[in-house]
Amino acid sequence: GESVGLHLPTLSVQEGDNSIINCAYSNSASDYFIWYKQESGKGPQFIIDIRSNMDKRQGQRVTVLLNKTVKHLSLQIAATQPGDSAVYFCAENTNTGFQKLVFGTGTRLLVSP
Amino acid sequence: DVKVTQSSRYLVKRTGEKVFLECVQDMDHENMFWYRQDPGLGLRLIYFSYDVKMKEKGDIPEGYSVSREKKERFSLILESASTNQTSMYLCASSLRTGGEKQFFGPGTRLTVL
Repeated sequence: GESVGLHLPTLSVQEGDNSIINCAYSNSASDYFIWYKQESGKGPQFIIDIRSNMDKRQGQRVTVLLNKTVKHLSLQIAATQPGDSAVYFCAENTNTGFQKLVFGTGTRLLVSP
Repeated sequence: DVKVTQSSRYLVKRTGEKVFLECVQDMDHENMFWYRQDPGLGLRLIYFSYDVKMKEKGDIPEGYSVSREKKERFSLILESASTNQTSMYLCASSLRTGGEKQFFGPGTRLTVL
């Protein structure tokens, strides 16, 4: 399949482990954040989002944590499965102008059976 | 579920050719976007549209134009393709303006020879 990034930071975990993927965002005025998953050769897929008035949000097997003090976002995946192997990247709404999303470059998650 | 489709998964063109990339969404979304994705650079916004016949330049519009004649369809045009436009092109849509999550198509891998 196609590689979306040849020099991405990589997190390697064993099946069943919990994974934590981190993202440092750029703008203290950003008020909305999204995590996307991109499998090889496919378009990004929405996973979970969070608004700046929250510091934690949970989905199915995923949790997003937001620390506005240090402008840090994390995605926690519980009981990681081989199908979770993908590139994960965060996006922030910088709340300026048209309020475009700004995307991070991503982290590659590799899950070994 | 939102479905965003793109006309081609893979495309090979020659330098100087005019190239059309088509994107269709089926959820009556107001906003549509064109990005390119290159290793190590993440997603970069080329153009977006917030209404029929409306368009706004993104961060890297040079060498591209767009057309939105119908709400569901957003076309990206490379007037005269160059080798540095070899990339993965991703279309996305969102319901309305203001930091909404975007839904992506599968991408078109364009190679310009």
